[in-house]
Amino acid sequence: SQQGEEDPQALSIQEGENATMNCSYKTSINNLQWYRQNSGRGLVHLILIRSNEREKHSGRLRVTLDTSKKSSSLLITASRAADTASYFCATASIQGAQKLVFGQGTRLTINP
Amino acid sequence: DTEVTQTPKHLVMGMTNKKSLKCEQHMGHRAMYWYKQKAKKPPELMFVYSYEKLSINESVPSRFSPECPNSSLLNLHLHALQPEDSALYLCASSQDPSGRTYEQYFGPGTRLTVT
Repeated sequence: SQQGEEDPQALSIQEGENATMNCSYKTSINNLQWYRQNSGRGLVHLILIRSNEREKHSGRLRVTLDTSKKSSSLLITASRAADTASYFCATASIQGAQKLVFGQGTRLTINP
Repeated sequence: DTEVTQTPKHLVMGMTNKKSLKCEQHMGHRAMYWYKQKAKKPPELMFVYSYEKLSINESVPSRFSPECPNSSLLNLHLHALQPEDSALYLCASSQDPSGRTYEQYFGPGTRLTVT
């Protein structure tokens, strides 16, 4: 399967703490993207990191990419209750960048 | 306008019905996508349209028939579905049909139940 693995599958932390989610993938990629999905709704794009980039920041989000290990991590700092959602990584391969392949996702719960 | 809209939000249909899902974007994006998502699973790609032409069909059964009437609209025609086709159907669009540089924008989805 080309789908990536994400861990943990579920994460529950207290508001204000940092949350880290990891993603591993199998093929050579053009880029890797992170999306958030609130329960039963559409996905919201968070950040895109290209294969020649190692780290990217956007507000409280920090994404790292290690192409040698075929892995990425998403760090959410100073978490808020509104960050409660499922988070998916998605890879666009070099061979077929149109096709996004999603990881299994991490269900993040922020406890007030 | 950075929105992708989908109608209807919910759809219940019998196995002999014919129905259509609709998706619209006015961002000038030239690639549009259909995904299927089962509960607690990631989205799975079904079809990709680039410049209004079907470019990817992920071996989807013929009871699902996509159509792209123009660059802003994407339809998914449904016929003789099975109960296992019940899922959230997501539409997405992106500026770059090559997929190399731009993110995808997703609609809120249509929750389909086949009875």
